[in-house]
Amino acid sequence: GAVVSQHPSWVICKSGTSVKIECRSLDFQATTMFWYRQFPKQSLMLMATSNEGSKATYEQGVEKDKFLINHASLTLSTLTVTSAHPEDSSFYICSAGQGDQPQHFGDGTRLSIL
Amino acid sequence: AQSVTQLGSHVSVSEGALVLLRCNYSSSVPPYLFWYVQYPNQGLQLLLKYTSAATLVKGINGFEAEFKKSETSFHLTKPSAHMSDAAEYFCAVTRSGSARQLTFGSGTQLTVLP
Repeated sequence: GAVVSQHPSWVICKSGTSVKIECRSLDFQATTMFWYRQFPKQSLMLMATSNEGSKATYEQGVEKDKFLINHASLTLSTLTVTSAHPEDSSFYICSAGQGDQPQHFGDGTRLSIL
Repeated sequence: AQSVTQLGSHVSVSEGALVLLRCNYSSSVPPYLFWYVQYPNQGLQLLLKYTSAATLVKGINGFEAEFKKSETSFHLTKPSAHMSDAAEYFCAVTRSGSARQLTFGSGTQLTVLP
């Protein structure tokens, strides 16, 4: 089946640093990738939708300058959390889709900002 | 706007007992509905999907769900629970205007008792 690889799976960094998370579709070309944020014991909240070669569409309330999304190829999207602060600590999950097929999810990245 | 409501944030069943996880949807257009499972510190795995074909949908791991338009429901069932079924389950619906942007329910934590 389709595989989406997300890296790193866990990252701890100091407040003020920037962190990049990669999302790769390993065996299919993902025309669209999605980035979600999940707080403990809560559901997934869509942050942004990313189409290859175009600017990401951010959900209301998500800071574009804080969460930079790049989707430069059909197999790779990156989320960069800039100048991260403790309140940015969360579980970030990407998913990739092709046409109208169901999304395939990565295993998530647990981000801890000290 | 589309939404899903999952009744019961926690469900406990004995091993071998029936599993019933409830999901009701709200949609002004025919919805696409999904059930996903999430194990700790992992992404989401698709269990099954409804896309306006058969109303009874069979998924992986012995799960199935029935789309009932009159009740606006898409409940997930499994005849006999296994210890490995313990996880978080999310119902999701496509957002109006897009076949792939998902809106998730709040999730149901399933505990299987020995």
